[in-house]
Amino acid sequence: AQTVTQSQPEMSVQEAETVTLSCTYDTSESNYYLFWYKQPPSRQMILVIRQEAYKQQNATENRFSVNFQKAAKSFSLKISDSQLGDTAMYFCAFMSRSYSGGGADGLTFGKGTHLIIQP
Amino acid sequence: DVKVTQSSRYLVKRTGEKVFLECVQDMDHENMFWYRQDPGLGLRLIYFSYDVKMKEKGDIPEGYSVSREKKERFSLILESASTNQTSMYLCASSLGLAEVDTQYFGPGTRLTVL
Repeated sequence: AQTVTQSQPEMSVQEAETVTLSCTYDTSESNYYLFWYKQPPSRQMILVIRQEAYKQQNATENRFSVNFQKAAKSFSLKISDSQLGDTAMYFCAFMSRSYSGGGADGLTFGKGTHLIIQP
Repeated sequence: DVKVTQSSRYLVKRTGEKVFLECVQDMDHENMFWYRQDPGLGLRLIYFSYDVKMKEKGDIPEGYSVSREKKERFSLILESASTNQTSMYLCASSLGLAEVDTQYFGPGTRLTVL
């Protein structure tokens, strides 16, 4: 079974600052996906960024980038030039590529980090 | 854009009632999922389905069942609701291809069991 740990329950930074959210995971598998999801106060969960474990290059999406350290089982999210709209719960999630039962598998989530961007 | 809709944003039921939570996706996705979200616990997988009439238990299936009679619709059923099932329920779907298997979430249903 996989576990995902987010050690920062809450973080607060000033607008325009750079912030890094940490995530570690534990798995015995070699093929998997990692995700960061954002859940704003309106509650709709939105994908921020994803990383395939077999890819060495860190994923980037505009102001969002990850630092994927496979050996250390670490997957941190960096938000550059933070904006008020980045205020949300952020969840790190793991999905195995070794599918059980027919070609699908659920996500294993961390407990989340509540990020607050201060004006 | 993928659209995942859930039948209710808020629902209040009484202990012992049978409760149906409905989820519909409009992108012909193969896979559909039900999670519950509780403060301090994150999201936990209840059940998922990879095809019509097919289902798999997730991490916390006790007290729940599911139904998938049509590809676009996935229902979560609480046979006899209990107060410890008060929670936010999130539905998700994914295309089903290994290289692009991102899950897309609905807005959630906040269920209160009295």
